[in-house]
Amino acid sequence: EAAVTQSPRNKVTVTGGNVTLSCRQTNSHNYMYWYRQDTGHGLRLIHYSYGAGNLQIGDVPDGYKATRTTQEDFFLLLELASPSQTSLYFCASSAGALDTLYFGAGTRLSVL
Amino acid sequence: QEKVQQSPESLIVPEGAMSSLNCTFSNSASQSIWWYQQHPGKGPEALISIFSNGNKKEGRLTVYLNRASLHVSLHIRDSQPSDSAVYLCARGTNAYKVIFGKGTHLHVLP
Repeated sequence: EAAVTQSPRNKVTVTGGNVTLSCRQTNSHNYMYWYRQDTGHGLRLIHYSYGAGNLQIGDVPDGYKATRTTQEDFFLLLELASPSQTSLYFCASSAGALDTLYFGAGTRLSVL
Repeated sequence: QEKVQQSPESLIVPEGAMSSLNCTFSNSASQSIWWYQQHPGKGPEALISIFSNGNKKEGRLTVYLNRASLHVSLHIRDSQPSDSAVYLCARGTNAYKVIFGKGTHLHVLP
């Protein structure tokens, strides 16, 4: 069964702080995604990748960087966190473009 | 920008009833449509997908797709309290992204 693991599960930081969210998938999937989920907006795509070293810009990329270091690992970086980035973040993976997504359990981030 | 609109925002049905959820999209590009289920505190899980016009049945779930009207619907027969969740409609785009609607909150009353 597909497995996507996110860490940490909860994170609190202050405005201007540095945050790294981690995601590891053990499905040998090529594609990985970072979404944020907010009431009234649903799931919005931040960045995605189709392989190690590759990065594609999603629909709400401002204030976020991402790195895909290996096929398994995808990181989301907030270098100067702002309160507007308080959200529930999900990582997902898929075998190919436009295939079924497998999601992690999410990271709840609060920026004070 | 391509969009996915879902209705209703919230749906309350008694146990055993049919639940009907709707989704419309902004253009008729030929990618698959998915329905995902999300329980509180969990990530979304794929329920069922459809690519071709027409319907698809899996257990208590039936999906209808009409690309001409840019509409897809999900019907849950014999709804159970355990079906209470948020249901997300999703579709692929020409940019090889998957975009989601805002979801329908389904409450099945015992």
